[in-house]
Amino acid sequence: GDSVTQMEGPVTLSEEAFLTINCTYTATGYPSLFWYVQYPGEGLQLLLKATKADDKGSNKGFEATYRKETTSFHLEKGSVQVSDSAVYFCALSLMGGFKTIFGAGTRLFVKA
Amino acid sequence: KAGVTQTPRYLIKTRGQQVTLSCSPISGHRSVSWYQQTPGQGLQFLFEYFSETQRNKGNFPGRFSGRQFSNSRSEMNVSTLELGDSALYLCASSWGRGPNTEAFFGQGTRLTVV
Repeated sequence: GDSVTQMEGPVTLSEEAFLTINCTYTATGYPSLFWYVQYPGEGLQLLLKATKADDKGSNKGFEATYRKETTSFHLEKGSVQVSDSAVYFCALSLMGGFKTIFGAGTRLFVKA
Repeated sequence: KAGVTQTPRYLIKTRGQQVTLSCSPISGHRSVSWYQQTPGQGLQFLFEYFSETQRNKGNFPGRFSGRQFSNSRSEMNVSTLELGDSALYLCASSWGRGPNTEAFFGQGTRLTVV
């Protein structure tokens, strides 16, 4: 079935370090791909998305490129901040937002 | 415009009781979906409603049910609560069901079953 696999956390980085969170997917169709972020005590917020192969989603310094050949959608940021500490979820959707399949989430801690 | 509103934010119930959670979607959104989030299982899809009809259902027992009203507001009900139902329940709304539709999430209802 359709699934999303992302790297286990927690990931602990120092401020200004480079971030990569790996995400790969399995899908029977042609999914849209998303990264969501969840801050403590909050719901999920869409961070970025890509809807077709080679699309690059970007927001707040975060980027991810839809790689169909490797079925991947890795999240990157060149210089993390303490305020980026949160849980990041990779997700796919085959029919829009009504049935989104999420990865397990990766907790990121950024130290000052 | 107002975001997705879930009430209540926190709830404590006893095993065997039932509970109803509410979700008010963003104005104009017609699709509402529900997710259960637990540390062990992560985010799992419960069901989705569109135009007052359940369109998709996840792999949960029949104790979990829901409905949607004509104003798109949705409720989720869990009967005969079990300890394992303790979780954060998230509601998401979207304007439609197309392939690129973005889901907007509420802050969730934290249910604790004791």
